[in-house]
Amino acid sequence: NAGVTQTPKFRVLKTGQSMTLLCAQDMNHEYMYWYRQDPGMGLRLIHYSVGEGTTAKGEVPDGYNVSRLKKQNFLLGLESAAPSQTSVYFCASSYSPDRGGNQPQHFGDGTRLSIL
Amino acid sequence: RKEVEQDPGPFNVPEGATVAFNCTYSNSASQSFFWYRQDCRKEPKLLMSVYSSGNEDGRFTAQLNRASQYISLLIRDSKLSDSATYLCAVNMITTGGSYIPTFGRGTSLIVHP
Repeated sequence: NAGVTQTPKFRVLKTGQSMTLLCAQDMNHEYMYWYRQDPGMGLRLIHYSVGEGTTAKGEVPDGYNVSRLKKQNFLLGLESAAPSQTSVYFCASSYSPDRGGNQPQHFGDGTRLSIL
Repeated sequence: RKEVEQDPGPFNVPEGATVAFNCTYSNSASQSFFWYRQDCRKEPKLLMSVYSSGNEDGRFTAQLNRASQYISLLIRDSKLSDSATYLCAVNMITTGGSYIPTFGRGTSLIVHP
């Protein structure tokens, strides 16, 4: 099993450019998440999805959009990149807490994004 | 006030020491608690879930105190390889009714020879 796969791993953009980050999981997880991690700020939730076709805003959603057209994929879009979006982006997935017990998250290995 | 708080450290300890971290959370209705380990420039990885009765995995012990709303992680006989950032995560209910993890900012541990 590949687990959670993020593409690309690195990217440099110019201000105003757009791009999409792709997250794919092969564990049949219901929940998927996008985080950004900045020095001293910890992991901050951008958007999340509790199932195919549904998305919701997290703590820092502005400037980002997401889509979950298929259960195994969760896309994060930047429509007009800004330098403030320079960060490391992590995707994660988990089973639904409705299954009972503790359902931990599984993380991809991150996308390092620089906006010039 | 952040919903999940951790002392950022760093905790600088010698090999063989015992070290403990706490993580406080603000929502008493929180469910599911976790400790993750994150190495520099790597993704977080689950270290252990935290159960109400407390649980142990080798040199690591996790405990939950619902009355005081904190979880703890105890590391015994520290190894150089334990050097990392330790993140706590607490599942909190959202306005949509889903339980979603909220992370603390992490506690940095440095184990030296």
